[in-house]
Amino acid sequence: GEDVEQSLFLSVREGDSSVINCTYTDSSSTYLYWYKQEPGAGLQLLTYIFSNMDMKQDQRLTVLLNKKDKHLSLRIADTQTGDSAIYFCAARYSSASKIIFGSGTRLSIRP
Amino acid sequence: EAQVTQNPRYLITVTGKKLTVTCSQNMNHEYMSWYRQDPGLGLRQIYYSMNVEVTDKGDVPEGYKVSRKEKRNFPLILESPSPNQTSLYFCASSPTGQGNTEAFFGQGTRLTVV
Repeated sequence: GEDVEQSLFLSVREGDSSVINCTYTDSSSTYLYWYKQEPGAGLQLLTYIFSNMDMKQDQRLTVLLNKKDKHLSLRIADTQTGDSAIYFCAARYSSASKIIFGSGTRLSIRP
Repeated sequence: EAQVTQNPRYLITVTGKKLTVTCSQNMNHEYMSWYRQDPGLGLRQIYYSMNVEVTDKGDVPEGYKVSRKEKRNFPLILESPSPNQTSLYFCASSPTGQGNTEAFFGQGTRLTVV
């Protein structure tokens, strides 16, 4: 079945790079997303990657996609305190009209 | 401003008292859906709608109803709420139900059923 998995917690030092990892099961996924949820707020789309791409970069964000291993990662360069949030990996499949979400990774920043 | 608006943002209710959470979008999107967010489980889809008068069950539809009488609105109805429906609810919309479109999310409704 369709599933998206990611680790629950990540702690990094301010100024370092954060790498949040995600795996998915269905190879027919078309779009893979990263959403950010700050405390008390809704979901903000950070970036997405189409399944025929390997990498996408947008300012401090880099998304890497390994289709063979069904592995997606989000790298945040020069992590700041404002990056503290829950990050959701999500996949949208051409065969289904829904977005499958991972459980979310809570990113905390150490001074 | 393009947005998805949910109301109310916070609601505390008692078991068995019918309630409706409203969702409205101003982007003329065809596709709308409801999710619930629970700790450690991410977001799970409750119901979705591909267009007016077209609705279908998601992964966790039990205890919920929806309607889509007009394009902009997609209310979520809990006929007889129970404590296990205490959760954070999100409404989302996108131009279509296909994978190449971005989903816009509302700010969420935190529901507590006592």
